[in-house]
Amino acid sequence: AQTVTQSQPEMSVQEAETVTLSCTYDTSESDYYLFWYKQPPSRQMILVIRQEAYKQQNATENRFSVNFQKAAKSFSLKISDSQLGDAAMYFCAYIYSGATNKLIFGTGTLLAVQP
Amino acid sequence: DAMVIQNPRYQVTQFGKPVTLSCSQTLNHNVMYWYQQKSSQAPKLLFHYYDKDFNNEADTPDNFQSRRPNTSFCFLDIRSPGLGDAAMYLCATSREALRQAEQYFGPGTRLTVT
Repeated sequence: AQTVTQSQPEMSVQEAETVTLSCTYDTSESDYYLFWYKQPPSRQMILVIRQEAYKQQNATENRFSVNFQKAAKSFSLKISDSQLGDAAMYFCAYIYSGATNKLIFGTGTLLAVQP
Repeated sequence: DAMVIQNPRYQVTQFGKPVTLSCSQTLNHNVMYWYQQKSSQAPKLLFHYYDKDFNNEADTPDNFQSRRPNTSFCFLDIRSPGLGDAAMYLCATSREALRQAEQYFGPGTRLTVT
């Protein structure tokens, strides 16, 4: 069965510093997509970044980048120059080739940003 | 702004009393989803609609039903809520049923069962 594991329930970072959130997944598939979603307090979840398993190049979106290690089944999120608005719950998620649009989420990492 | 709207944001119901949660979207997306998110747990897909085609997850209890009367609206009906159904319910949409398609989420409805 496909599973997603986020081993850090909570993380904290100083404003302007860099933080890395960890995610590992278990799958026997070779073709899939990985996502990081952000859920700010009392607000809707939004997509931060996505990665296709076949692409070797790590995805980057402004201050957000991923370190995708396919062999290790690892998909970490790096947030550079952290801002107060980055404080949120971050979910790692996965869609595999056998499911058209079923996101399988990890349990989330709650990120606090200290001023 | 185009968005996904969920009403109400907070819902309290009694044990066994039917309750309906509402979701609407102005994105004109083909796919609408309902997720259940219990405290400190990952969101879990209950079912989704692709246009009018209903797709139920195998482990979704029969107590949960859904209706999509038109493109814009989708409802989650809980026929006889139990204490274990207390959770945040998230509605989401996507343009197409593609794996890489971004899902757009509403703010959620927090359901309390007394």
